[in-house]
Amino acid sequence: GAGVSQTPSNKVTEKGKYVELRCDPISGHTALYWYRQSLGQGPEFLIYFQGTGAADDSGLPNDRFFAVRPEGSVSTLKIQRTERGDSAVYLCASSRTTDTQYFGPGTRLTVL
Amino acid sequence: GENVEQHPSTLSVQEGDSAVIKCTYSDSASNYFPWYKQELGKGPQLIIDIRSNVGEKKDQRIAVTLNKTAKHFSLHITETQPEDSAVYFCAASRGGNQFYFGTGTSLTVIP
Repeated sequence: GAGVSQTPSNKVTEKGKYVELRCDPISGHTALYWYRQSLGQGPEFLIYFQGTGAADDSGLPNDRFFAVRPEGSVSTLKIQRTERGDSAVYLCASSRTTDTQYFGPGTRLTVL
Repeated sequence: GENVEQHPSTLSVQEGDSAVIKCTYSDSASNYFPWYKQELGKGPQLIIDIRSNVGEKKDQRIAVTLNKTAKHFSLHITETQPEDSAVYFCAASRGGNQFYFGTGTSLTVIP
């Protein structure tokens, strides 16, 4: 079946702009996770949804970052007033159970 | 919180040889340990996982071992092939929560 999909695959923006990154999880997966991966590092947790609600948002670095999942399926990660330090690959993962997470291909965000 | 350390950061092996990657974790409450393979420009792909009630798990050429007492787990790849070349990440989790990832091991299999 279809895996996790993320759009866009690449996003280039200017410092100070607003961006939205989209994640389509595997059908039927109730849990959805966002991670950020910097070059040469492992993914770092940002936020976790169980259904429509954010079960854990402790990884969001500051209040410029926000994520929603209004219908318990598609999720959008929103970044306001982007900074050059926000440049990274943003990964989304989904899970049916409370263990195995399946990752999408990521969105590479570049802030100029 | 959890801290996962991974070694080595780079590993080169001859085709057909074995490769071993080791990880340690700090949180004794962690009970789920997946391994991911990440190729350039792609997302991490799950290759094998192990839960804390099991000491070893094998899937064809890949095996993972877990030592809960010492808080370390290892990935073993036998009969390596050039297509095994990638970055490998270990992770630890309490289950149902965020994964804590290691810093990755870049494996190169030399034909």
